[in-house]
Amino acid sequence: DTAVSQTPKYLVTQMGNDKSIKCEQNLGHDTMYWYKQDSKKFLKIMFSYNNKELIINETVPNRFSPKSPDKAHLNLHINSLELGDSAVYFCASSHAGVHGYTFGSGTRLTVV
Amino acid sequence: DQQVKQNSPSLSVQEGRISILNCDYTNSMFDYFLWYKKYPAEGPTFLISISSIKDKNEDGRFTVFLNKSAKHLSLHIVPSQPGDSAVYFCAAIIAFQGGSEKLVFGKGMKLTVNP
Repeated sequence: DTAVSQTPKYLVTQMGNDKSIKCEQNLGHDTMYWYKQDSKKFLKIMFSYNNKELIINETVPNRFSPKSPDKAHLNLHINSLELGDSAVYFCASSHAGVHGYTFGSGTRLTVV
Repeated sequence: DQQVKQNSPSLSVQEGRISILNCDYTNSMFDYFLWYKKYPAEGPTFLISISSIKDKNEDGRFTVFLNKSAKHLSLHIVPSQPGDSAVYFCAAIIAFQGGSEKLVFGKGMKLTVNP
C-alpha cells in the first residue's frame, strides 16, 4: 500500500558500473521527481516529470538519465558511476495544484 | 547558492515545552513555504505549509509563522512530544511559467524532545 515506492533501498556498487533505481507511485499524481540528498544533507532536485514529459533538469550530469514509461513510474539510470554519486536518492510525486509532495523512503547509493 | 537556510543544526527541548524551528530564505520569488518531517531511513513527510500571502497557519500542535519583510519563517510545536523527535526541513516553492514548480529545501534541523 506504499504510496511512493523505490527499489532498491540500498545499493552498493563499484565505480564505473551502470545502475538503475526504480520508482512507482500509486497516488494518481501527474508529476514525479528525483531528489538527491548529499553528504551535507542538502536535498536538491534533480529532475521533474509531468505526465511522462521532462520539465525540470537541474544541471545534472548526463550520466544520469531519467525514464518515465508512464506517469506512475520514474526510473533513474546512472552510467559510469563515480564516488561523488554516493548519496541518498529520493523519488517524490505531487498533484497539480497541491503543494505537499509525497516522498519515497529513499535509496542509499554507495559507490566504492 | 543556498536559498533556504536553517542555521541551527539541532534543537533539544523538554516534553511539554514549545519547540521553535527557524528558517530564512533569500529568494523573494518563493510563493509557498512548507515544513517536512523526516525520520531515519524514511522519506520526508509533509507537515504544514503557508502561502506567501499569509502570515500564520495553524494545524493542531503545529503553527507556522511567516515574516515576509524579514524573509523568515518559523515552525512552533506546542506542546512538544517525544514522537516529534526527527529532522525538520524547511522548504519553499518557486513556480515557473507553464505551471511547473520546484521545491527548494533547507539543510534540515534535528529536533530532540526529551521525556
